[in-house]
Amino acid sequence: DAKTTQPNSMESNEEEPVHLPCNHSTISGTDYIHWYRQLPSQGPEYVIHGLTSNVNNRMASLAIAEDRKSSTLILHRATLRDAAVYYCILIIQGAQKLVFGQGTRLTINP
Amino acid sequence: KAGVTQTPRYLIKTRGQQVTLSCSPISGHRSVSWYQQTPGQGLQFLFEYFSETQRNKGNFPGRFSGRQFSNSRSEMNVSTLELGDSALYLCASSLRQGSMNTEAFFGQGTRLTVV
Repeated sequence: DAKTTQPNSMESNEEEPVHLPCNHSTISGTDYIHWYRQLPSQGPEYVIHGLTSNVNNRMASLAIAEDRKSSTLILHRATLRDAAVYYCILIIQGAQKLVFGQGTRLTINP
Repeated sequence: KAGVTQTPRYLIKTRGQQVTLSCSPISGHRSVSWYQQTPGQGLQFLFEYFSETQRNKGNFPGRFSGRQFSNSRSEMNVSTLELGDSALYLCASSLRQGSMNTEAFFGQGTRLTVV
């Protein structure tokens, strides 16, 4: 399974943008980049996913490097409810197997 | 639309016993996956079922097994429980339509404690 590398933790302030990086240098051409987050005492929650182009949804934006070896999850205006562990995951096209790394624990300061 | 439902939410079992956990996916979802979450190992994939067939399997011993019924509901069984099996067991459902990558929806999990 292709691996991802994320910082263990990050901290930001409420109402400021947050950029969460992910390195995936061994990504193959058919691997999708997915992001999930896990709030305390809850199951993981889907955030966004993409293949090659940048993606936007109501929760976040995903910026994918041209060589696809890295990506960045962007929370445009962080709120206290965004405090969670964020996981960057690579998924083979058509597969439904999520291989979680350690993720990034995001702390939001009021 | 109801979410993914896992039962029971909490369970305490004794070493050597067996346990069955249940997962009801979102209506219309045909893929169900199971994950184990522990503080030491994080979230680990156990297996995935689609149309009553196991499609993917993680690196867990044969004591861990599962099945899926015709209504897409799934059960996971762990036999001969060990202390190390204490964990949060999460179920996720998704549409899994052909080669499309679809998002997975997770339940709140079953907290299993083995004593």
